[in-house]
Amino acid sequence: DAKTTQPNSMESNEEEPVHLPCNHSTISGTDYIHWYRQLPSQGPEYVIHGLTSNVNNRMASLAIAEDRKSSTLILHRATLRDAAVYYCILRGSGGYQKVTFGIGTKLQVIP
Amino acid sequence: DGGITQSPKYLFRKEGQNVTLSCEQNLNHDAMYWYRQDPGQGLRLIYYSQIVNDFQKGDIAEGYSVSREKKESFPLTVTSAQKNPTAFYLCASRSRNENSPLHFGNGTRLTVT
Repeated sequence: DAKTTQPNSMESNEEEPVHLPCNHSTISGTDYIHWYRQLPSQGPEYVIHGLTSNVNNRMASLAIAEDRKSSTLILHRATLRDAAVYYCILRGSGGYQKVTFGIGTKLQVIP
Repeated sequence: DGGITQSPKYLFRKEGQNVTLSCEQNLNHDAMYWYRQDPGQGLRLIYYSQIVNDFQKGDIAEGYSVSREKKESFPLTVTSAQKNPTAFYLCASRSRNENSPLHFGNGTRLTVT
């Protein structure tokens, strides 16, 4: 399985943008990049995904490097409710494959 | 509302007892997954199932068993052979669409003493 590497933790001030990085240097051409976040004592929730182009939705933006070896999840204005663990994972196309998660990045938002 | 239901939220058992965790979904999803999470750790895949009556081992299947007799249900049994069963267990599902996201339940926290 192609792996991802994320910083263990990050801090951000409330109402400022947050850029959460993810390295995936062994990504294959058909792997999609997915992001999830997990609030304390809850299951993870889907945030966003992309393949090559940058993506935006109501929760966040995803910026994907041209060589696809890294990506960045962007929260445009961090709120206290954004404090969570953020996971970057790779999903291959075709069929049902096992989906594995790393340790993720714990984001702390400072009021 | 559609979703995944895990029950119970908290479960306590004595060492040596088998225990079954429930996971039910009404999203009409084909694939279902079980993960284990330990404090400060990421999610580790225990078992997954692509269709009814079929399932595959994940990365840490030893000491666990599953069944998939119905599309909606994917129960996980933690057997007495699992050496460190105390953990937070998460169930997830996804649809047939190629890049459909995983939908997670809110987990069952199992404590074995």
